[in-house]
Amino acid sequence: DVKVTQSSRYLVKRTGEKVFLECVQDMDHENMFWYRQDPGLGLRLIYFSYDVKMKEKGDIPEGYSVSREKKERFSLILESASTNQTSMYLCASSLYGGASYEQYFGPGTRLTVT
Amino acid sequence: AQSVAQPEDQVNVAEGNPLTVKCTYSVSGNPYLFWYVQYPNRGLQFLLKYITGDNLVKGSYGFEAEFNKSQTSFHLKKPSALVSDSALYFCAVRDTSSSASKIIFGSGTRLSIRP
Repeated sequence: DVKVTQSSRYLVKRTGEKVFLECVQDMDHENMFWYRQDPGLGLRLIYFSYDVKMKEKGDIPEGYSVSREKKERFSLILESASTNQTSMYLCASSLYGGASYEQYFGPGTRLTVT
Repeated sequence: AQSVAQPEDQVNVAEGNPLTVKCTYSVSGNPYLFWYVQYPNRGLQFLLKYITGDNLVKGSYGFEAEFNKSQTSFHLKKPSALVSDSALYFCAVRDTSSSASKIIFGSGTRLSIRP
């Protein structure tokens, strides 16, 4: 079974802090994704990566950056956390193939910025 | 613009009755369509997908979905609902404006099955 793990289930940070969310997958998937999930808005793509050191902006990249130094690990960075970044963050991975392959999701990190 | 719509925020069904969760899409080119489910306090799980072929797609947990090209719909169905089907369901479609593996998610429909 594909396993996608995220470093924390719950996280509380203060405004202005730098926040790191880590995601690891164990199935040698090329693609990795970071989404945020908010009620009534569904999932919105923040960034994705299709190879080591490769990244592309999603729909809402402002205030976020990412890092992918190894194939299995994809990190989301909030450079200076703000209260409007309080949300559920989901990481996913998939095989490379023009979106024909399903994505596998981690359990999510619920981030609260106070 | 590419989009996917789930017109119902919530669907309520009695256990044992058939259920339908609606999804419509707007993309250029051939759509790749997906359904995902999120059980309480858990990540999203893949249910089923339509890429090509038979319009009726069968997936996990007894769910199926019918691709209707003329109505641009991909409704999720199950003949007999279970209380354990209560969850948040997301429809998604491939973003054909991108060469990458991006998909666009709908806003989600909360399915509630009463005993």
